[in-house]
Amino acid sequence: GNSVTQMEGPVTLSEEAFLTINCTYTATGYPSLFWYVQYPGEGLQLLLKATKADDKGSNKGFEATYRKETTSFHLEKGSVQVSDSAVYFCALSTTSGTYKYIFGTGTRLKVLA
Amino acid sequence: GAGVSQTPSNKVTEKGKYVELRCDPISGHTALYWYRQSLGQGPEFLIYFQGTGAADDSGLPNDRFFAVRPEGSVSTLKIQRTERGDSAVYLCASSPGTGGGITQYFGPGTRLTVL
Repeated sequence: GNSVTQMEGPVTLSEEAFLTINCTYTATGYPSLFWYVQYPGEGLQLLLKATKADDKGSNKGFEATYRKETTSFHLEKGSVQVSDSAVYFCALSTTSGTYKYIFGTGTRLKVLA
Repeated sequence: GAGVSQTPSNKVTEKGKYVELRCDPISGHTALYWYRQSLGQGPEFLIYFQGTGAADDSGLPNDRFFAVRPEGSVSTLKIQRTERGDSAVYLCASSPGTGGGITQYFGPGTRLTVL
């Protein structure tokens, strides 16, 4: 079946540190992959996405590359800010029918000034 | 423009009661999804509507849960005989259609607490 595995948090970093949040998936076919972010007190927002192998999604300094060979979609940012503190969710969209999302458990990031 | 809205934002009820949760999708979005997010977990799929019909209700946990979308816009998730295990944040999402890579837009959620 379809599943998403994320590294457990919380992740605590100092401002300007490099961020990696690991995400791997199991899926039938070739799903689309997403990173959503949930800031404190707010709803889920799309951060970036990639729809096919080797695609790179990017937004607000965050990047993730769709790696079919390793079934991964790791999130990276070169220099985090305090305002990046949030919970990050990796998700895949099933490849037929409903295209429902399968989410990972989320990774909480805390950035210290 | 207006995003997905959900009401109420918080609902506290007693075990055994009936509750209704409402979702207003983005105007023109034909696809609507309900998810449930338990504490410390990612959202889990409940049901999907394309237009007025429930095209996939495979995620509903049991027959106490039911959802409707009578006019293809607003949707209501209905939970009968609530149990403490139903406590969670219920999320609604909409999208302009379905297909690989189409983004779902999420509402702020309804936090349901069953005492």
